[in-house]
Amino acid sequence: DSGVTQTPKHLITATGQRVTLRCSPRSGDLSVYWYQQSLDQGLQFLIQYYNGEERAKGNILERFSAQQFPDLHSELNLSSLELGDSALYFCASSGKYEQFFGPGTRLTVL
Amino acid sequence: AQTVTQSQPEMSVQEAETVTLSCTYDTSENNYYLFWYKQPPSRQMILVIRQEAYKQQNATENRFSVNFQKAAKSFSLKISDSQLGDTAMYFCAFMKPLSSGNTGKLIFGQGTTLQVKP
Repeated sequence: DSGVTQTPKHLITATGQRVTLRCSPRSGDLSVYWYQQSLDQGLQFLIQYYNGEERAKGNILERFSAQQFPDLHSELNLSSLELGDSALYFCASSGKYEQFFGPGTRLTVL
Repeated sequence: AQTVTQSQPEMSVQEAETVTLSCTYDTSENNYYLFWYKQPPSRQMILVIRQEAYKQQNATENRFSVNFQKAAKSFSLKISDSQLGDTAMYFCAFMKPLSSGNTGKLIFGQGTTLQVKP
């Protein structure tokens, strides 16, 4: 158990819909990273938050957004969903030298 | 920009034998970290081993060890006494340390699927 939690584990929705993925980092970790794992793109960095502030953006679509709340949990919002958004979405929190991953949320867009 | 390359999409090994997974990377940085993550069929990402670039000594964690060649930008993972539970996809990853100028994000290779055969 990494100490990072993610909900829900699975999400099935239709094209055009909006979903929210939630992540709670390890106790004491201020940094949260979101990654997307898809068959054709591999594991890609989406966005990072540090102590409530956006720190860096990667290959994140404009339809996607995220935030980190005062209690340090983070949410990734995906809107106007397309079939190609189906993927495994990971959240990771950062210790000083390494990142610890949550179990992921598997999103299926039908 | 940094890149990470794993040139072996799939590998197999007999139980109890040794296998080496290859990884190369490209960077102009001098201070960074390299990792191997394991992703079993459960899809959980599990940290296997970490190497700091400033350390010449190769990292070791039980049956897992690395061969870090900084000049060659090579970072291979050796698994000794392979076990059925080692069956997984293995990802090599690069990270610049988290600091005011660096995000600390991970850059992953494409992954190598390892099958351990009984």
